[in-house]
Amino acid sequence: RKEVEQDPGPFNVPEGATVAFNCTYSNSASQSFFWYRQDCRKEPKLLMSVYSSGNEDGRFTAQLNRASQYISLLIRDSKLSDSATYLCVVNIPGNQFYFGTGTSLTVIP
Amino acid sequence: GAVVSQHPSRVICKSGTSVKIECRSLDFQATTMFWYRQFPKQSLMLMATSNEGSKATYEQGVEKDKFLINHASLTLSTLTVTSAHPEDSSFYICSAHRAGGSYGYTFGSGTRLTVV
Repeated sequence: RKEVEQDPGPFNVPEGATVAFNCTYSNSASQSFFWYRQDCRKEPKLLMSVYSSGNEDGRFTAQLNRASQYISLLIRDSKLSDSATYLCVVNIPGNQFYFGTGTSLTVIP
Repeated sequence: GAVVSQHPSRVICKSGTSVKIECRSLDFQATTMFWYRQFPKQSLMLMATSNEGSKATYEQGVEKDKFLINHASLTLSTLTVTSAHPEDSSFYICSAHRAGGSYGYTFGSGTRLTVV
């Protein structure tokens, strides 16, 4: 079983829509969780860390469910510029980081 | 803070030659750096974990004699692709984790390798 599993999509949504991505992880000892954004042919960039209590940054909300071992990313009021691939990243003990396959989002005018 | 510099950003080389890629942490010390490879429309695949002052740890299926990793200082790791073949053409990205902050996992800008 993969360390991190993520629906690759693609998700095609109209501007202004709300879209949510989920990511499940297999190691219950996982310590840190992140969402990254990767634009085409560029390196991934940190979008936000995911905290146990949930956290929000503008239109983006990240949540962690340790009992069910998943993290989620919610994007409200989608913009054209949100089109990208979103990667979830999980840090397990031993300082190992594992990536999901990425979820492709296209926001349509 | 937490800047990771990687170069070259793009390299074209002939089959059979070797290519060295450098990854530097500019404003912090990184005892551990990670090297990834990404093929088109696929996610990043961890190749190896580079440990300062010791041998790298390679993921299953990655040839350590082909992908030489050196982490001679706390701010520099290098990946050398030896005897490159066209199938080695890919996007190679390094990253490092800065401890003690919420920086997550910082990536270099990547190196696009094309072997002709």
